[in-house]
Amino acid sequence: AQKVTQAQTEISVVEKEDVTLDCVYETRDTTYYLFWYKQPPSGELVFLIRRNSFDEQNEISGRYSWNFQKSTSSFNFTITASQVVDSAVYFCALSEASTGNQFYFGTGTSLTVIP
Amino acid sequence: GAVVSQHPSRVICKSGTSVKIECRSLDFQATTMFWYRQFPKQSLMLMATSNEGSKATYEQGVEKDKFLINHASLTLSTLTVTSAHPEDSSFYICSARDRFTGTGSNQPQHFGDGTRLSIL
Repeated sequence: AQKVTQAQTEISVVEKEDVTLDCVYETRDTTYYLFWYKQPPSGELVFLIRRNSFDEQNEISGRYSWNFQKSTSSFNFTITASQVVDSAVYFCALSEASTGNQFYFGTGTSLTVIP
Repeated sequence: GAVVSQHPSRVICKSGTSVKIECRSLDFQATTMFWYRQFPKQSLMLMATSNEGSKATYEQGVEKDKFLINHASLTLSTLTVTSAHPEDSSFYICSARDRFTGTGSNQPQHFGDGTRLSIL
């Protein structure tokens, strides 16, 4: 079974629009970590955020914000006032205490910001 | 910050060639490194977990004899794609855990920049 689901395969928005990338996860662990990574066309993975299962406080970093809802097992990522440089594939990932040696990546959401 | 260097960044070679990819943790020690493969427009799939001084643990469906992993030191793991064929063409990414930061799933993973392998 897929542990991390990113239902949105591709999203296109016009520059300056807000966009939310969805992430739903599945785990039986009480201790786990959630991540978001950005992968630009060059291929490297850029770390954006890590959140542990005991901290549901939403986080804002500049134009980026994250909404962690344990009740719905979701960890959504919002970009406000999108820019062309935000165009990339975004991956949500899960790391569990019980299987602490690996990441489970979602299938990614390809975001295109149109100027 | 923790840096993982992956080399080479791009390889183009003929079918039947063996290709070695290096993953180095530059400013930290990594008892565990991970190798991922990513096909175009797909997610990263874990291939194997590389443990310093011991045999790698391969995920189901990954051929051990095809993808040789060596983790001889706390800062270097290598992945060798033996007798590569066009279907092995992919983007390979390594990551490393800092042994002195956090425990288990709390340990940050630091990713290399990836190696794009093209087999003609």
